[in-house]
Amino acid sequence: NAGVTQTPKFQVLKTGQSMTLQCAQDMNHEYMSWYRQDPGMGLRLIHYSVGAGITDQGEVPNGYNVSRSTTEDFPLRLLSAAPSQTSVYFCASRQGSSYEQYFGPGTRLTVT
Amino acid sequence: GENVEQHPSTLSVQEGDSAVIKCTYSDSASNYFPWYKQELGKRPQLIIDIRSNVGEKKDQRIAVTLNKTAKHFSLHITETQPEDSAVYFCAAAGLGNEKLTFGTGTRLTIIP
Repeated sequence: NAGVTQTPKFQVLKTGQSMTLQCAQDMNHEYMSWYRQDPGMGLRLIHYSVGAGITDQGEVPNGYNVSRSTTEDFPLRLLSAAPSQTSVYFCASRQGSSYEQYFGPGTRLTVT
Repeated sequence: GENVEQHPSTLSVQEGDSAVIKCTYSDSASNYFPWYKQELGKRPQLIIDIRSNVGEKKDQRIAVTLNKTAKHFSLHITETQPEDSAVYFCAAAGLGNEKLTFGTGTRLTIIP
């Protein structure tokens, strides 16, 4: 099992550009989430999904879109990047019957 | 929504001594309290968790205590070692664990 994978590892964008952060898991987990991590602020939930076709907003959803067409994939879209979206992004997944979340390795995004 | 406060933000401990990190939460409906360890440049990894029907849980040198009445929980690391140096995050979640709220982290440094 590869677990939770994320691509790319690093990305630099210019203000106004769009991009998609990829997240995939091969553990057949129902639940998937996206977090952003900023210095001194812990991890904050952006969006989450409890299964294919079902998504919902977390604490800081503005500026981000998600979709969940398959159990394995949960991409995060930035429609028009802003410097405030400079952060490290983590994807996580868990089984519906378990509380434990498994995190991906993260994507470091810089918006100039 | 849930609010989790974590103290201290930094902690330095002599090798072999104990370290204690404390968190408080606001939502009395929260019933799951995990602790994550994050080494520099790595993903958060679950080290121990506790559910609201348990007051204390131990795993070798690590223990977590929960006081539901006071709405606080703590991480205890005994016989600290250099490899314990990392950032530690507490978190809280309610039923279903769809929304995990994190504390702001504690940077623990073990002094040899």
